[in-house]
Amino acid sequence: DIQMTQSPSTLSASVGDRVTITCRASQSISSWLAWYQQKPGKAPKLLIYKASSLESGVPSRFSGSGSGTEFTLTISSLQPDDFATYYCQQYNSYSLTFGGGTKVEIK
Amino acid sequence: EVQLVESGGGLVQPGGSLRLSCAASGFTFSSYAMHWVRQAPGKGLEYVSAISSNGGSTYYANSVKGRFTISRDNSKNTLYLQMGSLRAEDMAVYYCARGDIVVVPAALDYWGQGTLVTVSS
Repeated sequence: DIQMTQSPSTLSASVGDRVTITCRASQSISSWLAWYQQKPGKAPKLLIYKASSLESGVPSRFSGSGSGTEFTLTISSLQPDDFATYYCQQYNSYSLTFGGGTKVEIK
Repeated sequence: EVQLVESGGGLVQPGGSLRLSCAASGFTFSSYAMHWVRQAPGKGLEYVSAISSNGGSTYYANSVKGRFTISRDNSKNTLYLQMGSLRAEDMAVYYCARGDIVVVPAALDYWGQGTLVTVSS
């Protein structure tokens, strides 16, 4: 199975900060990567697909980049609603795998 | 509006069985691959299983292969997960999620609210 490693596991930031989360794949996955946001007690929400495509309805402050084995999710200006846990997921192979998650906390 | 509603979770003893259901509405269910993803309490997301749009192809995580069976009834717009030989480590919230029309590996664009499976004696 392809392993997905996210960093950092926890991130403390303030409203208005620029935030970057990294996801690394154990082998090349081309651009077959998605990012999700999850709030406590809620289902994950798709933010980004195919590494850099913004899902409909997702604010433009969210952006994704990368290809191959290294990817980033950037929030350009952190808003109060953005404090949550973020997961990457590869879909290059039939065995989908998720990163371990990055919790974005209030500083 | 796309809706996915899971049901069937509950308390089951180790070694027992349970069948989860996911009722879909608001889209052409028979056109989409569907997935199950789980989340143990306080832990991250773990892929469980996937099924193609016509049910002809299925995929399982190694951790559940041989114990879980995914299926679907396109006439009822419902996805199922039959779970057997349940273990403590299967305890989690189970989510169903919609995949893609064309291929099975995909980003998951809609998720249900989840159903909790508790494995305990």
